[in-house]
Amino acid sequence: ETGVTQSPTHLIKTRGQQVTLRCSSQSGHNTVSWYQQALGQGPQFIFQYYREEENGRGNFPPRFSGLQFPNYSSELNVNALELDDSALYLCASSLGQGSGNTIYFGEGSWLTVV
Amino acid sequence: SQQGEEDPQALSIQEGENATMNCSYKTSINNLQWYRQNSGRGLVHLILIRSNEREKHSGRLRVTLDTSKKSSSLLITASRAADTASYFCATDRTGTASKLTFGTGTRLQVTL
Repeated sequence: ETGVTQSPTHLIKTRGQQVTLRCSSQSGHNTVSWYQQALGQGPQFIFQYYREEENGRGNFPPRFSGLQFPNYSSELNVNALELDDSALYLCASSLGQGSGNTIYFGEGSWLTVV
Repeated sequence: SQQGEEDPQALSIQEGENATMNCSYKTSINNLQWYRQNSGRGLVHLILIRSNEREKHSGRLRVTLDTSKKSSSLLITASRAADTASYFCATDRTGTASKLTFGTGTRLQVTL
C-alpha cells in the first residue's frame, strides 16, 4: 500500500477519442509524475508536476497533457487517442522534487485503444 | 528512451536459491532505485542507493552500485515463490531530479 490511488483501473476507448486518468498522491506529497508502460517494456516518463506547475516533460507529443490541483491530486489527459497509446499509465508521487526522494507508484490505469 | 538495461531479461530459479539481477545505465546519476512489479500491477519500491554509496541491504535484498562501471546489481537471497515478479532499476539522472528513467526489466520466476 503506497497511498497513491489511481482511477479508473481499466478502460477501453476508441481511436480518436479523449481520455482522462486521475491520481491522488500520497498525503503531503507535492510532486506527481506520470509514466506510460507498454506491454513488456519499462515505464517511460511522460511529465511531472510540482506545486501545480509542469516541471519537466519526456518525449511525448502535446496531445498528452496534465493538471495538478491545489490538493496535489493530478489528471493525465490524452487527446486524439491512437492504438499505440494502449498501455498501463502509472502515477507516482514524492515529497519535493529533490533528488534522493523515494518515489511511490500507484497501481496504474490500464488503457486499451481499439 | 530507456536509460539502462537489466540482465538477464528472464531468470528462473528454485525456491531457496539466490537471484542476482544486473542493471547498466548510460549517464551520470544522483541515485538508483530498484522496483518490483507483479504482473499487470503497480511498481513497489524496494531500495534506493545514492551515487556515493556502494552497497545497501534491506532484509533479503542486497544492492551494489559501481558508478565507474555505470552498473548496479540486486541480489535476493533465499528466494520464495512470492518473489516471482519483474524487477526494474530506475535512475535519477544528474539534473533531472525525481524523474526516473527505467531499464527494460528482469522477469524472475521462482518455482517450488
